[in-house]
Amino acid sequence: EPEVTQTPSHQVTQMGQEVILRCVPISNHLYFYWYRQILGQKVEFLVSFYNNEISEKSEIFDDQFSVERPDGSNFTLKIRSTKLEDSAMYFCASRASGQHGYTFGSGTRLTVV
Amino acid sequence: RKEVEQDPGPFNVPEGATVAFNCTYSNSASQSFFWYRQDCRKEPKLLMSVYSSGNEDGRFTAQLNRASQYISLLIRDSKLSDSATYLCVGGAGGGNKLTFGTGTQLKVEL
Repeated sequence: EPEVTQTPSHQVTQMGQEVILRCVPISNHLYFYWYRQILGQKVEFLVSFYNNEISEKSEIFDDQFSVERPDGSNFTLKIRSTKLEDSAMYFCASRASGQHGYTFGSGTRLTVV
Repeated sequence: RKEVEQDPGPFNVPEGATVAFNCTYSNSASQSFFWYRQDCRKEPKLLMSVYSSGNEDGRFTAQLNRASQYISLLIRDSKLSDSATYLCVGGAGGGNKLTFGTGTQLKVEL
């Protein structure tokens, strides 16, 4: 079964440092997303990406966040200057055109210390 | 009011029991609805889409009532492996942005 692949599975970083979380969506999917889940809380939408541009973003997705699809296969989330409250599980997801259901990756656990 | 509201549980049921989860949503712009399953510290996995006509997948039955903005999930003959958190989810917009509930925890016991 096709998978969404995320790397690394766990990243520990110091406050103020930049991190890049990487995702390889399913190859024929056209819609890409990042969600996050703070421990013990609900899954929250960050950003959606379609046709090489952001189609929607949440209030969480401020100027410290950016996304990129640099080479047609990878889809990255960059946090420029991490804060303690950025510690969470970050899930990448992709969706095929005409379908409503997403496939989520197994997530990157980001710990900011 | 939360956009998607669920009873957090936990629901502790014996193996073989039937269990029902309910969910309400407040965003009338939501166009599509789903139940996802999430195991501890894992990614959400799509369990099933939810339609007004109701839909069934094996032991699982889901129902949507748009008039009362209410979604349900029924699990029959529950198995130990059904133990997980069940997430009620609404999708909206052209990009189908998902809004998750906080989830209902199910524990199936021997």
